[in-house]
Amino acid sequence: QKEVEQNSGPLSVPEGAIASLNCTYSDRGSQSFFWYRQYSGKSPELIMSIYSNGDKEDGRFTAQLNKASQYVSLLIRDSQPSDSATYLCAGSNSGYALNFGKGTSLLVTP
Amino acid sequence: DTAVSQTPKYLVTQMGNDKSIKCEQNLGHDTMYWYKQDSKKFLKIMFSYNNKELIINETVPNRFSPKSPDKAHLNLHINSLELGDSAVYFCASSLRTGDYLLAKNIQYFGAGTRLSVL
Repeated sequence: QKEVEQNSGPLSVPEGAIASLNCTYSDRGSQSFFWYRQYSGKSPELIMSIYSNGDKEDGRFTAQLNKASQYVSLLIRDSQPSDSATYLCAGSNSGYALNFGKGTSLLVTP
Repeated sequence: DTAVSQTPKYLVTQMGNDKSIKCEQNLGHDTMYWYKQDSKKFLKIMFSYNNKELIINETVPNRFSPKSPDKAHLNLHINSLELGDSAVYFCASSLRTGDYLLAKNIQYFGAGTRLSVL
């Protein structure tokens, strides 16, 4: 079973704080990982992708991957109310279909 | 121009009916997918096509039949609709599947089709 686990939340952070979203996966064959943001009633939108161990930064977002611990995380710095959404973690085994976690709901309060 | 477009956006129908959802991508991608998102928001792969060839067929009732007339289109036909089929169905595409180069694995999603079976 290729499982991706996320805490469903909701995770509540004040505006301007760092939001930390975590994800673990069971399939050691997973090569690449993705964070998607999904607003209510909308489609998933790619935020970050990562396939090497370590950190990858893009603007206010940092993805972290630790393949030994089978752990992926997403940090959102200077969180804004517009970041309030569900964040979906997904893993991919050799580029085939994405295995999604159930998502973490993030609420950024003004 | 919408990159991945699905029609219809909403579909309300009675149990036992047959319905189709259409998907088109203008990104020049090789691979297209169908995902189902249930009421708990869990997004799960159903099918994947690469250059019109079926490569992934997850445990989906055979009432669901995908068809890919060309690599830019992937349609989903559902026979004998059941209450449990109510969900949002997302089409997605990626440049190429089975490729270790990360950028080619990125999947782009359509807006979704909300199916309600009464």
